[in-house]
Amino acid sequence: DIQMTQSPSSLSASVGDRVTITCRASQSISSYLNWYQHKPGTAPKLLIYAASSVQSGVPSRFSGSGSGTAFTLTITSLQPEDFASYYCHQSYSAPYTFGQGTKLEIK
Amino acid sequence: EVQLLESGGGLVQPGGSLRLSCAASGFSFSTYDMSWVRQAPGKGLEWVSSISGGGGSTFFADSVKGRFTISRDNSKNTFYLQMNTLRAVDTAVYFCARTNVKDSYGSLDYWGQGTLVTVSS
Repeated sequence: DIQMTQSPSSLSASVGDRVTITCRASQSISSYLNWYQHKPGTAPKLLIYAASSVQSGVPSRFSGSGSGTAFTLTITSLQPEDFASYYCHQSYSAPYTFGQGTKLEIK
Repeated sequence: EVQLLESGGGLVQPGGSLRLSCAASGFSFSTYDMSWVRQAPGKGLEWVSSISGGGGSTFFADSVKGRFTISRDNSKNTFYLQMNTLRAVDTAVYFCARTNVKDSYGSLDYWGQGTLVTVSS
């Protein structure tokens, strides 16, 4: 099974900051890496698919990069609505595992 | 508009069974794989199971293999998660999600709001 290791597990930042979350796969997953945003009591939301493609309707301050085993999610100029949990997810091979999540909190 | 609506959650005793349903609308259901993802209290997201558009291929997390089954009825635009031999660790909010294999590398592009399953005596 492919293990996904996400870091950091939590992060404090201020409105306007730039933040980066990393995700590492235990083996190569090509570009089959997706990023989601999740707020309590709501449905998770797809932000980035195929490592770097921004889902329709997602603000341009969200971007993704990487391939193989190392990936990053970057949020430039944090907005109040961006404080949430973020998860990476590999869709390369079953079982389709998630990272353990990063909770982004207001400093 | 794509919509996914879960139902069937509730309280069940350890060792019991429950069937979750996810009704889909707003897209050509039979042409999409579908998935279940869960979130236990205070924990992260965990992929549980996926099923291909025609229903011929199914996949499961190791934690549920042999206890859960996934199926779909394309005539009703609905898919299901049959959960047997439930354990306390299966307590979670269960989300259904559309799996976009064609256009977006198997990402989960639409999600339901979730249904809570509580396994407790």
